[in-house]
Amino acid sequence: KQEVTQIPAALSVPEGENLVLNCSFTDSAIYNLQWFRQDPGKGLTSLLLIQSSQREQTSGRLNASLDKSSGRSTLYIAASQPGDSATYLCAVHNAGNMLTFGGGTRLMVKP
Amino acid sequence: NAGVTQTPKFRILKIGQSMTLQCTQDMNHNYMYWYRQDPGMGLKLIYYSVGAGITDKGEVPNGYNVSRSTTEDFPLRLELAAPSQTSVYFCASTYGGQGMALHFGNGTRLTVT
Repeated sequence: KQEVTQIPAALSVPEGENLVLNCSFTDSAIYNLQWFRQDPGKGLTSLLLIQSSQREQTSGRLNASLDKSSGRSTLYIAASQPGDSATYLCAVHNAGNMLTFGGGTRLMVKP
Repeated sequence: NAGVTQTPKFRILKIGQSMTLQCTQDMNHNYMYWYRQDPGMGLKLIYYSVGAGITDKGEVPNGYNVSRSTTEDFPLRLELAAPSQTSVYFCASTYGGQGMALHFGNGTRLTVT
């Protein structure tokens, strides 16, 4: 059974810092890995999708990497802003059309 | 561009009552999913569907039922509400099951007392 873990569970940084969020998974037989952002009381917004054959994806100040063999992904946020404050979740797509989610990292960027 | 629409946004049920959570999408997506999210936790899959007329159990299906009579709609039914079903419920959809980004609704916050 796939298990997805996100570390840290919570993170508080001053504005302007570069930061890294971590996601690890136990079964490397994945189709893809997706990073989401969730604002309080809202649904999830897809940030980046990395196919199993890819090593990284970039969107603006966000860069996500994938190392399938070691079961790890990182989300790098450059020059963080208060508007980046949210919960970030990673999810891996296994066989059987199911996504398995991590518990999320709650990020607070202080002005 | 409505995307994935869930109704209601909030609901309070008494133990033993039943209700249906509605989910509709206007993107012609084949795959639809129901997740629940408990406080401080990730999302757990309840049921999913790969097309009209086809549904499958996810990780936590007990106490729930679904149907998929059309491509657009994927309602989730709670027959006998229990306090353990207090949660936030999210519906999601995607065009293809693999390699495609998932689109989420804004959720239904359900409290069972």
